[in-house]
Amino acid sequence: AQSVTQPDIHITVSEGASLELRCNYSYGATPYLFWYVQSPGQGLQLLLKYFSGDTLVQGIKGFEAEFKRSQSSFNLRKPSVHWSDAAEYFCAVGNFGNEKLTFGTGTRLTIIP
Amino acid sequence: EPEVTQTPSHQVTQMGQEVILRCVPISNHLYFYWYRQILGQKVEFLVSFYNNEISEKSEIFDDQFSVERPDGSNFTLKIRSTKLEDSAMYFCASSENREDGYTFGSGTRLTVV
Repeated sequence: AQSVTQPDIHITVSEGASLELRCNYSYGATPYLFWYVQSPGQGLQLLLKYFSGDTLVQGIKGFEAEFKRSQSSFNLRKPSVHWSDAAEYFCAVGNFGNEKLTFGTGTRLTIIP
Repeated sequence: EPEVTQTPSHQVTQMGQEVILRCVPISNHLYFYWYRQILGQKVEFLVSFYNNEISEKSEIFDDQFSVERPDGSNFTLKIRSTKLEDSAMYFCASSENREDGYTFGSGTRLTVV
């Protein structure tokens, strides 16, 4: 069965600092990988996705993520965070032929001035 | 940008009552989903729907739950006899094809009292 681990429950970063949110997945074949962001009281917004090809993917809002098969990881990065990036971030995994996405438990990002 | 619309945003119901959560997916999308997020927990898959039938469902989606696409635009989730543990945020999502990832609605917060 597929699974996703986000080891960091809560991360605090200063505005302007770089960010890396960790995501590890478990799945036998090549997965589809996603990062979603959820602001308080809002739905889930897709930041970026990986299916195949270039292992470094660019998303919206200046985010990027790198798929590393050897480490079963898909970490999310941003070189310089803004106060508006404060939110909950979810990594998710899916696969061709299986309808559902499996989500991680999320990482809450707090930005300090 | 097209969006998935969910109504109501918040619903309070008494235990044992039936509730219907409504969703209007993006018009050209073919795949429809319901997920839920119990407060403080991860987002969980409930059911997927394609070509007017359920294509996959989780163990959470028992006989108390049903989905329907009553017309060309709405997609509903019915809970026949609500329990306290059904209290959660329910997200509807749709996709044109699975590889594009899903567009999520902003959710309906269901509170069972």
